Amino acid sequence: AQSVSQHNHHVILSEAASLELGCNYSYGGTVNLFWYVQYPGQHLQLLLKYFSGDPLVKGIKGFEAEFIKSKFSFNLRKPSVQWSDTAEYFCAVNSYGNNRLAFGKGNQVVVIP
Amino acid sequence: EPEVTQTPSHQVTQMGQEVILRCVPISNHLYFYWYRQILGQKVEFLVSFYNNEISEKSEIFDDQFSVERPDGSNFTLKIRSTKLEDSAMYFCASSESEDRSNIQYFGAGTRLSVL
Repeated sequence: AQSVSQHNHHVILSEAASLELGCNYSYGGTVNLFWYVQYPGQHLQLLLKYFSGDPLVKGIKGFEAEFIKSKFSFNLRKPSVQWSDTAEYFCAVNSYGNNRLAFGKGNQVVVIP
Repeated sequence: EPEVTQTPSHQVTQMGQEVILRCVPISNHLYFYWYRQILGQKVEFLVSFYNNEISEKSEIFDDQFSVERPDGSNFTLKIRSTKLEDSAMYFCASSESEDRSNIQYFGAGTRLSVL
């Protein structure tokens, strides 16, 4: 079974700072990788996804993530955060023959104006 | 943008009672899912549902749980005889297909508090 690790559960930073959230998964086969975001009181929204091809993927709201297969990682980045990026961020994985998503514990990100 | 909607947003119940959590998936989607997140823990898969039957379930989804699509729009999760440890946020999701590269769209969740 897949497992997903996210570290630094609580992240506090100032506007214009850069953000990087780590995601590591444990599964040796072919995977799909996702980052979801949940703004306060709202549903989980897809930020970006990786299925195949270019390992650097760009998502909505200026986010990007890089798939590094050798490190089993899919880290999320944003060069300059805004107050509106305050949210919880979840990394998720599914694998060949199994469409259930395995999630990390999430990162609670607070951006101070 | 179409959304998955869940009701209620917060449900409080007494231990031993039955609860039904409701979800309206996106209208052209065919696959439906329930996940839950106990406070401080990971979001966990419970069950997937297609063509009026369960297609996959986790070890968490025991006889206490059941799912149903009672009509053309709703998808429900029933928890019989609730326990304190059932307190969690329950998320419904839907997708167009079961293909693993298909995106699952989530609702905002129902927070279940069992007292």
